[in-house]
Amino acid sequence: LAKTTQPISMDSYEGQEVNITCSHNNIATNDYITWYQQFPSQGPRFIIQGYKTKVTNEVASLFIPADRKSSTLSLPRVSLSDTAVYYCLVGDPLLSGGYNKLIFGAGTRLAVHP
Amino acid sequence: ETGVTQSPTHLIKTRGQQVTLRCSSQSGHNTVSWYQQALGQGPQFIFQYYREEENGRGNFPPRFSGLQFPNYSSELNVNALELDDSALYLCASSLGVEAFFGQGTRLTVV
Repeated sequence: LAKTTQPISMDSYEGQEVNITCSHNNIATNDYITWYQQFPSQGPRFIIQGYKTKVTNEVASLFIPADRKSSTLSLPRVSLSDTAVYYCLVGDPLLSGGYNKLIFGAGTRLAVHP
Repeated sequence: ETGVTQSPTHLIKTRGQQVTLRCSSQSGHNTVSWYQQALGQGPQFIFQYYREEENGRGNFPPRFSGLQFPNYSSELNVNALELDDSALYLCASSLGVEAFFGQGTRLTVV
């Protein structure tokens, strides 16, 4: 499984765009990139998943360059409620037996200030 | 709300005791995984069950065991509890792209 590297923490202010970058130099051909969000004392929540280029949903955008060795989660106009830990995961769902054998790193602690 | 429910929400046990944690997966989800999350760390994969069979295991000793029932609900059993077993235990069910996590059981071993 490809190892991921993320910043330990980030700070932002309400209304700003936040970009969290994840490095995954050893990503394999069949690996997908998935981001989860976790609030204190709750289970992680799926945010977005992608394979290449750009993916956008109602919550976030995911940018993946052509070499796929990194990815950037973009949160538009954050609010206080976006304060959470964000995890970047890389894996091949077929090889690992499905999307539910997830390997989490330490994640990025995002603090949004008023 | 993810549709995944775990019980109990909190639990205090003494070192050496045994504990059983329960998970009711989202309707129709045939895959259930369990994770251990120590304070300040990311969740660590314990094992996965698919249609009542263990389908992969992380780096956890045999005293961590599990079951999945015909209705896809699941149990995590931990024997001979150690102080380091104190953690948030998360259950997640999936059928496709997303894994849906429950709120977790906070286990404290004293």
